[in-house]
Amino acid sequence: KNEVEQSPQNLTAQEGEFITINCSYSVGISALHWLQQHPGGGIVSLFMLSSGKKKHGRLIATINIQEKHSSLHITASHPRDSAVYICAVRITQGAQKLVFGQGTRLTINP
Amino acid sequence: NAGVTQTPKFQVLKTGQSMTLQCAQDMNHNSMYWYRQDPGMGLRLIYYSASEGTTDKGEVPNGYNVSRLNKREFSLRLESAAPSQTSVYFCASSETGTASNYGYTFGSGTRLTVV
Repeated sequence: KNEVEQSPQNLTAQEGEFITINCSYSVGISALHWLQQHPGGGIVSLFMLSSGKKKHGRLIATINIQEKHSSLHITASHPRDSAVYICAVRITQGAQKLVFGQGTRLTINP
Repeated sequence: NAGVTQTPKFQVLKTGQSMTLQCAQDMNHNSMYWYRQDPGMGLRLIYYSASEGTTDKGEVPNGYNVSRLNKREFSLRLESAAPSQTSVYFCASSETGTASNYGYTFGSGTRLTVV
């Protein structure tokens, strides 16, 4: 079983819809990251969370440490949001390393 | 522009050839990383360097070596390339600090094919 599980693996929606991507993890963590990877391949860091909620534009990320669960929400989705969204956790044991989920491929149709 | 610069962007190697992937960051980050990304799998850590002068193995270090040349540069070397090393490679850097006070910056990736 992977230490970081994302759902769904693939998501297709219409422009304007509210999007939710989920991430569950099974290890102790000090922080959780949400990353975005566009079709061109570059990876951009969206959020880093250790508790609560963060918002940036139309993106909202939440984390529940007790339940070991995080969600990434996109409001008023747009075709330019189409990308792979990756959840990664920094584990508390050992040195500074991230463990990555497999990613969620999001497609927003106009 | 500040960030992580990786070279080359694309490379084709024959089995047994060697090459070095270069990575440099200009954000004064202490920690640097090399990851590989394969279809259907999450990013996997090859090697990392928590600070200048130190390097440590990650999940999949076999077949690779690294050098932390100085604080800015962290190179990844394939001594004898194998088809299993066909992948997209990403370099990344981060600040070192308290647990929740740093993020990561990724390079644009190197697409390597070993034939």
